[in-house]
Parts: sequence; structure tokens; C-alpha cells
Amino acid sequence: GENVEQHPSTLSVQEGDSAVIKCTYSDSASNYFPWYKQELGKGPQLIIDIRSNVGEKKDQRIAVTLNKTAKHFSLHITETQPEDSAVYFCAAISGTYKYIFGTGTRLKVLA
Amino acid sequence: EAGVAQSPRYKIIEKRQSVAFWCNPISGHATLYWYQQILGQGPKLLIQFQNNGVVDDSQLPKDRFSAERLKGVDSTLKIQPAKLEDSAVYLCASSPNRGPEKLFFGSGTQLSVL
Repeated sequence: GENVEQHPSTLSVQEGDSAVIKCTYSDSASNYFPWYKQELGKGPQLIIDIRSNVGEKKDQRIAVTLNKTAKHFSLHITETQPEDSAVYFCAAISGTYKYIFGTGTRLKVLA
Repeated sequence: EAGVAQSPRYKIIEKRQSVAFWCNPISGHATLYWYQQILGQGPKLLIQFQNNGVVDDSQLPKDRFSAERLKGVDSTLKIQPAKLEDSAVYLCASSPNRGPEKLFFGSGTQLSVL
């Protein structure tokens, strides 16, 4: 069935360093790949998304890359700050418009 | 713009009891989702509504879970009877339409079944 794998499950970086989170999807019909940030006690919030006709997208310190051939997409956060600490989820929307979420990455930025 | 509203914020019940959650989506959003998020996992879709019709309930345990969306606006999710494994955060989300676009999530209801 449709599946999204996400790695790593936890990630600790020093403040100012970069963080990379990777996801792999199974449904070749997937055409939309959002990333959500979830802070404690809150619902997930969209931070960036990419569509299948684009290979890379940037928004200030955040970027997402997509490799459709390999069915991989990644989140890159540069110059990390303590407020970046949260759980990050990737997702893929299938050909049947179903959102499939990854298992999450707990990012800890150490001051 | 008001966000997705959910209530209650927390609920503690004993197994075999029933519980209901309420969601008010962003005004004008046609699509409404209920997700179950077990601690340490990603959200799992339970049911998706387009206006007041169900478009996907394939992962809803229909022997104990039910949901409705009256008049295509508010929605309620019910569990009856609850089991220990139902302990989770229940998230409601909405989007303007069905398809590849941003979801707006509420803060969720944290359910503990003892």
C-alpha cells in the first residue's frame, strides 16, 4: 500500500549548523510533498511544500528538494536556531488525494 | 482568520466508556479530516469529508468509531466503546478543497483511556 518512510527519527544539531531530514514515498502517482512542523501541544503547521513539477524550493532558511526518479524528498534547514526545535513530518499526497504522513523527526537544536 | 477549533482539549475516560470530539473548520473549507496521532507516530487518517459526504473512511474502525459532518460545516467524531489502544491525540484538519494543497490543523484533543 501507500507508504512514506522518514529518517532520522531523532536529530540533534548545534545552533547554527544545518539539519537534513529525508523521506521516501512509494506511490509513483504522488504529486505534492508538504512538510509540517509540530510543536508540543499544537497541531502540525505547514512550513514548506513542493509539487512534482519542481526539483527544489527555498524559503529563507528552509529548502526542500525532490527526486522523482528515486522517490525521495528532503528538508534542509540552515543556520538552525533553538526555535527550530520541534517534530517535523513529511507527507505525500497519493493519486487518490490521500495524505500519507511520515513517522516524524524530533529535531533538537542545542544552544 | 480564525483557525480550526477543536474541543475538548483533554479527555480522560475508562475503557468501554464513550467519548465525542467536536471540530469547527475554517469558514468556507469544503474538506474536513479526522486524524489519529499515537504518541511518537505520524498522523493517521481516520475519515475525510468533502462538504457533508464521506470520501474516505477506509481506516476508520467502524465497529466503534463514527463521524458525521452536518450541513457540511462542524463535525463530531465518536468512539463507543473506547479501548486502551484508542489513547491518542485526535486532530481535525480542513482545506479549501480536496486535493494537493495545505492542510490547516486544530490543536487536537488528547484522549487517555484508562
